[in-house]
Amino acid sequence: GQNIDQPTEMTATEGAIVQINCTYQTSGFNGLFWYQQHAGEAPTFLSYNVLDGLEEKGRFSSFLSRSKGYSYLLLKELQMKDSASYLCAVRGGDYKLSFGAGTTVTVRA
Amino acid sequence: DADVTQTPRNRITKTGKRIMLECSQTKGHDRMYWYRQDPGLGLRLIYYSFDVKDINKGEISDGYSVSRQAQAKFSLSLESAIPNQTALYFCATSKRAEGRTGELFFGEGSRLTVL
Repeated sequence: GQNIDQPTEMTATEGAIVQINCTYQTSGFNGLFWYQQHAGEAPTFLSYNVLDGLEEKGRFSSFLSRSKGYSYLLLKELQMKDSASYLCAVRGGDYKLSFGAGTTVTVRA
Repeated sequence: DADVTQTPRNRITKTGKRIMLECSQTKGHDRMYWYRQDPGLGLRLIYYSFDVKDINKGEISDGYSVSRQAQAKFSLSLESAIPNQTALYFCATSKRAEGRTGELFFGEGSRLTVL
């Protein structure tokens, strides 16, 4: 089975940077995804990592260390619209995607 | 129009009733999934299907059944609903599992309340 841990809540100020950590223990590994989910809406894809290192896409970056079972999502220049839940999801050896419980980020003015 | 459509979007029912949640997609994806989302527990996989003749149990399949009527349609049934099946249900599709194309595309969700 999969064990995926991420903080429950984080609060940050508009314009600041927030880093959301995700640690995982899985049976095999075939990639890690980050999804964004606004309240009452469906999750939407943010990033994908399968090799170690940093993937940058605009204000959002995602990092992966496979040896440590660790990833983070970095949100820069926070905007009010970034207030949402951020879901870490790991694709295991069976290619099924398992999700963490999500981190709710609140951006304050 | 949404690429992945779920009906109904909201449903209130009573314990013991049979409920069907339907999902249809226009993305042309072979793989379809049903997840449920509960506060503090995240998304949990109920059933998944890699093609029309393929049905697989996820981590929480007890009390649920599914039907893959066509490539584009995947239905979830609760034969006899119970209150702890109250949750937000998501249908999702993916092109294939490998690489970034294993990315999931979600429907808008079906909120089910069992009284």
